[in-house]
This record gives sequence, C-alpha cells and structure tokens, in this order.
Amino acid sequence: GAVVSQHPSRVICKSGTSVKIECRSLDFQATTMFWYRQFPKKSLMLMATSNEGSKATYEQGVEKDKFLINHASLTLSTLTVTSAHPEDSSFYICSARSRSSYNSPLHFGNGTRLTVT
Amino acid sequence: RKEVEQDPGPFNVPEGATVAFNCTYSNSASQSFFWYRQDCRKEPKLLMSVYSSGNEDGRFTAQLNRASQYISLLIRDSKLSDSATYLCVVNSGYNQGGKLIFGQGTELSVKP
Repeated sequence: GAVVSQHPSRVICKSGTSVKIECRSLDFQATTMFWYRQFPKKSLMLMATSNEGSKATYEQGVEKDKFLINHASLTLSTLTVTSAHPEDSSFYICSARSRSSYNSPLHFGNGTRLTVT
Repeated sequence: RKEVEQDPGPFNVPEGATVAFNCTYSNSASQSFFWYRQDCRKEPKLLMSVYSSGNEDGRFTAQLNRASQYISLLIRDSKLSDSATYLCVVNSGYNQGGKLIFGQGTELSVKP
C-alpha cells in the first residue's frame, strides 16, 4: 500500500531554534501534501496544504512565516518550524493521497513529536 | 458549529459488546467520508471509507445519511485490540481542495 515516511519521529530543541520536518511519499508521487498538528487529547488540525512547485496554502490562523513549507519535488515536502517556542510543542503529521482523485483517503506519515524547551 | 462533530466519549465496553459511534458534519457539499483509527501517540490509520449505500468490513459497519448529514460506525463483537480513538473524517469538497476535516475523536476502551 501507499507509504508516507516522515522524519524525524521525535525532536527536542531549545527555544529560538528552527526545526525541519521531512515528509516523503515512498511509492507514489504526491502533487499535494497536507500538514496537520495535534495537541494532546485533541483532534488533528490542518495547518496548510503543500503544493508541488508553488506556494503552500495556509489555514486561517497559521503563520506562514513561522511554519515554512517547501514542496520541491513530487515526493518530498518539508515543514520548518522557525524560532520555535514551547507553545509550538505538538505532534506534527503529514499526509498525502496516492491517487489523484480528491475524494480518495489520505495516507499519513508516522508523525513528528516536537518538544521545545 | 464545528465542521465535524462526534460523540464525546470515552466509551468503556466489555469484550464482545457492540458499540456505535455517531458523527455529524456541517458542509453539505462534502463528497467523501471516512473513519480513521488512531492509537495512542501514533498517526491515524484508515479504517474504512463510508459509502452512501452503507458498507461492511468484517465486524465494522459504516453508514451514511446525506439528508441528515450523519455518519455512523458500528463495531460488533468488540476485541481488546479495538481500543483506540476513532476519528470521523469528512472531505471538505472540491472547491476547498479536497481537504480532510477531522472530528475530535471518540475514545474506545474495551475491557476483558
């Protein structure tokens, strides 16, 4: 089945540093990837839609200068949390569709647990 | 009103029980619907898609009522391994790029 790989799975960093998270589609090409975040005991909240070769589309309330998204190829999207603060500590998950139909389900990466100290 | 709303839970049931989860959605333009399962501190995994005619996969049955904008998931003969959070997921529609919107999840705990 379709596989989405996310790296790193866990990262601890100090306030003020930047963290890059990679999301790869391993056996299919993804023109669109989605980045979610999840706080403990809460649901997944869509942060942005990553579009290959063009700018990402951010959801309302998500700072595009804080969460930089780059989708340079059909198999790789990256999310960089810039100048991280403790409130950015969360579970970040990327996802993609293996089929072009927008009605098809998403396949998720294994997630990145970010802790900012 | 939330776009996707689920039973608050948690549900605590004995092994072998039948349990039903309910979900409502607000966007009448939504075209596709799913149930995902999420284990503690893991990523969501697709459990099943939900079709208008209703569909079954082993012990799991999903139903969709478009008129009422209501989705359900029935689990029969619960197993310990069914313990997880169940997420109702709705496609936002073509005009919004097919984003998937997640409900807040309903936690299920199956006890021996």
